[in-house]
Amino acid sequence: QSVLTQPPSVSGAPGQRVTISCTGSSSNIGAGYDVHWYQQLPGTAPKLLIYDNNKRPSGVPDRFSGSKSGTSASLAITGLQAEDEADYYCQSYDSRLSGSEVVFGGGTKLTVL
Amino acid sequence: EVQLAESGGGLVQPGRSLRLSCTASGFTFGDYAMSWFRQAPGKGLEWIGFIRRQAYGGTTEYAASVKGRFTISRDDSKSIAYLQVNSLRTEDTAVYYCSRERVGAMGRYFDYWGQGNLVTVSS
Repeated sequence: QSVLTQPPSVSGAPGQRVTISCTGSSSNIGAGYDVHWYQQLPGTAPKLLIYDNNKRPSGVPDRFSGSKSGTSASLAITGLQAEDEADYYCQSYDSRLSGSEVVFGGGTKLTVL
Repeated sequence: EVQLAESGGGLVQPGRSLRLSCTASGFTFGDYAMSWFRQAPGKGLEWIGFIRRQAYGGTTEYAASVKGRFTISRDDSKSIAYLQVNSLRTEDTAVYYCSRERVGAMGRYFDYWGQGNLVTVSS
């Protein structure tokens, strides 16, 4: 059971727009902690896609964008391409009585139809 | 170019110990905190813990789920971070990743990752 909740899968045709949601709670996203997104292509290591809710590292196409509101965040991908087929993970920080921890969503598998 | 490379994994018997290494290059290793993660077969990412830079005491923090059996350390002179895992269990079978940590305005994120190292715990 992941602390952050993502849909297990989303799909879209080439050229379309898809969004992936990431729902947290008052101890993580709702507490003001930033949300970051990672792309994991099959058989490879995760790659930072979006940081600080909506910033793109150098080299990440502007087809990828992030947003955050309240206890949730979203990753949007426009102009879907075949090479976007991957697993996507959201990540934030969580404050608990036992201490603060880095937390992830369970991941969303994007299928390009 | 920033590069991270994990090593030291493989097939290990339950109950044994293992030390993974993460060798860094392309940046000033001592200026960054380093984190470890794992990913069980077919599962999502799990944060294990991190070690701060020496300027902040080189202290460590761990996920509650692994506290006690996992120890992270670093050798800045060699640009290596280590993950020691004791009393290995079958459920520790996973690909283990190291990553360079960045501190954002509110939280942490991880901008470079190693290629991963598979640890299989089986008799």
